[in-house]
Amino acid sequence: KAGVTQTPRYLIKTRGQQVTLSCSPISGHRSVSWYQQTPGQGLQFLFEYFSETQRNKGNFPGRFSGRQFSNSRSEMNVSTLELGDSALYLCASSSTGDGNTIYFGEGSWLTVV
Amino acid sequence: EDQVTQSPEALRLQEGESSSLNCSYTVSGLRGLFWYRQDPGKGPEFLFTLYSAGEEKEKERLKATLTKKESFLHITAPKPEDSATYLCAAFDSNYQLIWGAGTKLIIKP
Repeated sequence: KAGVTQTPRYLIKTRGQQVTLSCSPISGHRSVSWYQQTPGQGLQFLFEYFSETQRNKGNFPGRFSGRQFSNSRSEMNVSTLELGDSALYLCASSSTGDGNTIYFGEGSWLTVV
Repeated sequence: EDQVTQSPEALRLQEGESSSLNCSYTVSGLRGLFWYRQDPGKGPEFLFTLYSAGEEKEKERLKATLTKKESFLHITAPKPEDSATYLCAAFDSNYQLIWGAGTKLIIKP
Protein backbone atom coordinates (compact mmCIF):
# COMPACT_ATOMS: atom_id res chain seq x y z
CA LYS A 1 0.00 0.00 0.00
CA ALA A 2 1.55 3.29 -1.08
CA GLY A 3 2.24 5.84 1.63
CA VAL A 4 1.66 9.57 1.67
CA THR A 5 3.38 11.19 -1.29
CA GLN A 6 4.52 14.80 -1.30
CA THR A 7 5.91 16.79 -4.19
CA PRO A 8 8.23 18.46 -4.72
CA ARG A 9 10.74 17.23 -2.15
CA TYR A 10 12.98 20.26 -2.35
CA LEU A 11 12.50 23.73 -3.70
CA ILE A 12 14.06 27.16 -3.49
CA LYS A 13 12.01 30.30 -3.91
CA THR A 14 12.66 34.01 -3.73
CA ARG A 15 11.02 36.36 -1.24
CA GLY A 16 7.71 37.63 -2.55
CA GLN A 17 7.05 34.63 -4.77
CA GLN A 18 4.37 32.05 -4.13
CA VAL A 19 4.62 28.27 -3.88
CA THR A 20 2.26 25.34 -4.20
CA LEU A 21 2.95 22.01 -2.53
CA SER A 22 1.12 18.81 -3.36
CA CYS A 23 0.10 15.81 -1.27
CA SER A 24 -1.42 12.48 -2.26
CA PRO A 25 -2.82 10.65 0.78
CA ILE A 26 -2.89 6.94 1.42
CA SER A 27 -5.58 5.33 -0.69
CA GLY A 28 -8.92 5.42 1.12
CA HIS A 29 -7.89 8.18 3.50
CA ARG A 30 -10.18 11.19 3.46
CA SER A 31 -8.48 13.46 6.00
CA VAL A 32 -5.37 15.42 5.07
CA SER A 33 -3.46 17.66 7.47
CA TRP A 34 -0.57 20.01 6.85
CA TYR A 35 2.20 20.94 9.27
CA GLN A 36 5.14 23.29 9.26
CA GLN A 37 8.29 22.15 11.00
CA THR A 38 11.26 24.35 11.81
CA PRO A 39 14.21 23.52 14.09
CA GLY A 40 13.17 25.85 16.85
CA GLN A 41 9.38 25.47 16.68
CA GLY A 42 8.66 21.80 16.27
CA LEU A 43 5.50 20.70 14.48
CA GLN A 44 3.04 23.54 13.90
CA PHE A 45 -0.44 22.65 12.65
CA LEU A 46 -1.53 24.54 9.54
CA PHE A 47 -4.92 23.08 8.57
CA GLU A 48 -6.89 19.91 8.08
CA TYR A 49 -9.20 18.98 5.23
CA PHE A 50 -11.85 16.30 5.18
CA SER A 51 -14.02 15.58 2.16
CA GLU A 52 -12.90 18.81 0.44
CA THR A 53 -13.82 20.98 3.44
CA GLN A 54 -11.40 22.71 5.78
CA ARG A 55 -12.29 21.30 9.17
CA ASN A 56 -9.59 22.78 11.40
CA LYS A 57 -7.13 25.61 11.05
CA GLY A 58 -4.01 26.54 12.96
CA ASN A 59 -2.72 29.99 13.84
CA PHE A 60 -1.06 31.01 10.58
CA PRO A 61 -1.56 34.14 8.48
CA GLY A 62 -3.88 34.17 5.48
CA ARG A 63 -0.89 33.81 3.15
CA PHE A 64 -1.11 30.11 3.92
CA SER A 65 -4.01 28.39 2.23
CA GLY A 66 -4.98 24.95 1.10
CA ARG A 67 -7.55 22.90 -0.64
CA GLN A 68 -8.60 19.32 -1.10
CA PHE A 69 -9.89 17.71 -4.26
CA SER A 70 -12.60 15.11 -4.69
CA ASN A 71 -9.97 12.35 -4.89
CA SER A 72 -8.64 13.49 -1.45
CA ARG A 73 -5.43 14.85 -2.92
CA SER A 74 -4.50 18.17 -1.36
CA GLU A 75 -2.46 21.23 -2.13
CA MET A 76 -1.21 24.02 0.05
CA ASN A 77 -0.19 27.43 -1.18
CA VAL A 78 1.96 30.09 0.41
CA SER A 79 1.80 33.52 -1.18
CA THR A 80 4.20 36.44 -0.79
CA LEU A 81 6.94 34.25 0.66
CA GLU A 82 9.03 35.52 3.55
CA LEU A 83 12.42 34.28 4.73
CA GLY A 84 10.74 32.86 7.84
CA ASP A 85 8.65 30.54 5.71
CA SER A 86 11.71 28.37 5.12
CA ALA A 87 10.79 25.05 6.68
CA LEU A 88 9.89 21.44 6.17
CA TYR A 89 6.22 21.19 5.20
CA LEU A 90 4.65 17.90 6.13
CA CYS A 91 1.44 16.37 4.91
CA ALA A 92 -0.32 13.66 6.89
CA SER A 93 -3.36 11.55 6.11
CA SER A 94 -5.78 9.46 8.11
CA SER A 95 -8.98 7.61 7.34
CA THR A 96 -11.26 10.11 9.07
CA GLY A 97 -9.03 12.25 11.28
CA ASP A 98 -11.23 11.65 14.31
CA GLY A 99 -8.69 10.03 16.58
CA ASN A 100 -7.39 7.70 13.89
CA THR A 101 -3.68 7.32 13.40
CA ILE A 102 -2.20 9.86 11.02
CA TYR A 103 0.60 8.90 8.64
CA PHE A 104 3.12 11.40 7.36
CA GLY A 105 4.79 11.91 4.04
CA GLU A 106 8.50 12.65 3.68
CA GLY A 107 7.84 16.37 3.48
CA SER A 108 8.70 19.23 1.16
CA TRP A 109 11.75 21.28 2.04
CA LEU A 110 11.17 24.93 1.20
CA THR A 111 14.01 27.41 1.26
CA VAL A 112 13.20 31.08 0.75
CA VAL A 113 16.12 33.29 -0.28
CA GLU B 1 -5.18 24.85 28.05
CA ASP B 2 -4.39 21.45 26.55
CA GLN B 3 -0.70 20.72 26.62
CA VAL B 4 1.76 17.93 25.90
CA THR B 5 5.22 18.10 27.45
CA GLN B 6 8.07 15.75 26.64
CA SER B 7 11.15 15.17 28.75
CA PRO B 8 14.03 15.14 28.59
CA GLU B 9 14.68 17.36 25.57
CA ALA B 10 17.70 15.26 24.72
CA LEU B 11 19.04 11.96 26.00
CA ARG B 12 22.41 10.39 25.33
CA LEU B 13 22.81 6.69 26.08
CA GLN B 14 25.43 4.08 25.52
CA GLU B 15 24.46 1.18 23.31
CA GLY B 16 22.62 -1.36 25.47
CA GLU B 17 21.73 1.16 28.19
CA SER B 18 17.96 1.00 28.70
CA SER B 19 15.95 4.11 29.57
CA SER B 20 12.55 5.80 29.26
CA LEU B 21 11.19 8.89 27.57
CA ASN B 22 8.34 10.77 29.19
CA CYS B 23 5.28 12.42 27.68
CA SER B 24 3.03 14.14 30.18
CA TYR B 25 -0.28 15.55 29.04
CA THR B 26 -3.04 17.78 30.28
CA VAL B 27 -5.68 17.16 27.65
CA SER B 28 -9.39 17.24 28.17
CA GLY B 29 -11.07 14.02 27.16
CA LEU B 30 -8.07 12.20 25.71
CA ARG B 31 -9.09 10.45 22.49
CA GLY B 32 -5.74 8.80 21.83
CA LEU B 33 -2.03 9.23 22.43
CA PHE B 34 0.47 8.66 19.66
CA TRP B 35 4.21 8.07 19.48
CA TYR B 36 6.27 8.78 16.40
CA ARG B 37 9.91 8.49 15.48
CA GLN B 38 11.50 11.12 13.25
CA ASP B 39 14.86 10.89 11.53
CA PRO B 40 16.56 14.11 10.38
CA GLY B 41 15.03 15.55 7.23
CA LYS B 42 12.23 12.97 7.10
CA GLY B 43 8.58 12.82 8.05
CA PRO B 44 7.57 11.29 11.38
CA GLU B 45 7.12 7.52 11.33
CA PHE B 46 4.22 6.09 13.29
CA LEU B 47 5.10 3.83 16.22
CA PHE B 48 2.17 3.37 18.62
CA THR B 49 -1.34 4.48 19.47
CA LEU B 50 -2.64 4.17 23.04
CA TYR B 51 -6.25 4.85 23.93
CA SER B 52 -6.78 4.09 27.60
CA ALA B 53 -4.85 4.14 30.88
CA GLY B 54 -3.11 0.85 31.55
CA GLU B 55 -2.66 0.06 27.88
CA GLU B 56 0.77 -1.12 26.71
CA LYS B 57 2.17 -1.80 23.25
CA GLU B 58 5.50 -3.21 22.16
CA LYS B 59 7.56 -3.22 19.01
CA GLU B 60 11.06 -4.66 18.96
CA ARG B 61 13.05 -2.75 21.60
CA LEU B 62 10.29 -0.21 22.27
CA LYS B 63 7.37 -0.38 24.68
CA ALA B 64 4.83 2.38 25.17
CA THR B 65 2.66 2.68 28.27
CA LEU B 66 -0.13 5.05 29.24
CA THR B 67 -1.45 6.35 32.56
CA LYS B 68 -4.06 9.03 33.21
CA LYS B 69 -1.41 11.76 33.22
CA GLU B 70 1.53 10.55 31.17
CA SER B 71 2.93 8.09 28.71
CA PHE B 72 6.33 6.46 28.69
CA LEU B 73 8.33 5.11 25.82
CA HIS B 74 10.68 2.50 27.23
CA ILE B 75 13.66 1.54 25.14
CA THR B 76 15.43 -1.67 26.04
CA ALA B 77 19.06 -2.36 25.07
CA PRO B 78 19.07 0.36 22.42
CA LYS B 79 21.23 0.28 19.33
CA PRO B 80 22.75 3.22 17.42
CA GLU B 81 20.01 2.90 14.78
CA ASP B 82 17.46 3.82 17.44
CA SER B 83 18.90 7.35 17.44
CA ALA B 84 16.15 9.74 16.36
CA THR B 85 13.74 12.31 17.71
CA TYR B 86 10.71 10.75 19.37
CA LEU B 87 7.48 12.72 19.27
CA CYS B 88 4.27 12.22 21.16
CA ALA B 89 0.90 13.73 20.42
CA ALA B 90 -2.55 13.59 21.99
CA PHE B 91 -6.02 13.96 20.52
CA ASP B 92 -8.26 16.03 22.79
CA SER B 93 -12.05 15.82 23.09
CA ASN B 94 -12.45 18.04 20.01
CA TYR B 95 -10.10 15.81 18.02
CA GLN B 96 -7.44 18.51 17.98
CA LEU B 97 -4.00 16.90 17.90
CA ILE B 98 -1.64 18.46 20.45
CA TRP B 99 2.07 17.81 19.84
CA GLY B 100 5.00 17.65 22.22
CA ALA B 101 8.33 19.21 21.26
CA GLY B 102 10.08 15.84 21.08
CA THR B 103 13.00 14.07 22.74
CA LYS B 104 16.20 13.75 20.76
CA LEU B 105 17.69 10.34 21.52
CA ILE B 106 21.35 9.63 20.76
CA ILE B 107 22.71 6.12 21.18
CA LYS B 108 26.48 5.92 21.19
CA PRO B 109 28.20 2.68 20.10
